[in-house]
Amino acid sequence: EAGVTQSPTHLIKTRGQQVTLRCSPISGHTSVYWYQQALGLGLQFLLWYDEGEERNRGNFPPRFSGRQFPNYSSELNVNALELEDSALYLCASSPGTGGAGATTEAFFGQGTRLTVV
Amino acid sequence: GENVEQHPSTLSVQEGDSAVIKCTYSDSASNYFPWYKQELGKGPQLIIDIRSNVGEKKDQRIAVTLNKTAKHFSLHITETQPEDSAVYFCAAMKTSYDKVIFGPGTSLSVIP
Repeated sequence: EAGVTQSPTHLIKTRGQQVTLRCSPISGHTSVYWYQQALGLGLQFLLWYDEGEERNRGNFPPRFSGRQFPNYSSELNVNALELEDSALYLCASSPGTGGAGATTEAFFGQGTRLTVV
Repeated sequence: GENVEQHPSTLSVQEGDSAVIKCTYSDSASNYFPWYKQELGKGPQLIIDIRSNVGEKKDQRIAVTLNKTAKHFSLHITETQPEDSAVYFCAAMKTSYDKVIFGPGTSLSVIP
């Protein structure tokens, strides 16, 4: 079974540009999480999508946005890139709670390394 | 919101010794606590998890303990090997719709 896949693996952008990162969850998973991991730092929560809707959002400016498609894949968009946006962007998927209230494991992709110059 | 603290930030042990990483959480409603291992250049990998109705869980050389009263949970690695060298993250999550909140990570080095 394929794991969480992210594309591209590496990306270099210029300050002020826009970027779109993509994530395909594990088959059958409905929840997708996005995290930012700056060099040497921990995992900062960005966004959470489940069943096509945004469920929660971290403390990031509005230029960070995303969406989830009917097939549960997801995109993360970052507008007006700044140098400090350089980081590893990680996507994770989980089966989702489905309203049942039980937590389930989240599995991560390998990430997209974004460098803003 | 939930806040997860993790100690130590770096840990160096001799091969064969044990390693212990400790975490605390702030939200008493959290009841799912996974641990992730991140090797250089890779995404975090789930290595073990524990739910609030269990006090201890073991999987070969790794074990996790949970003290809900004190809001503490710990990762124990016995008979450490060089391939255990990585950054380890603890995390906490509630059963309702919520995000996984991670601790800041512990960089473990196992010296051969």
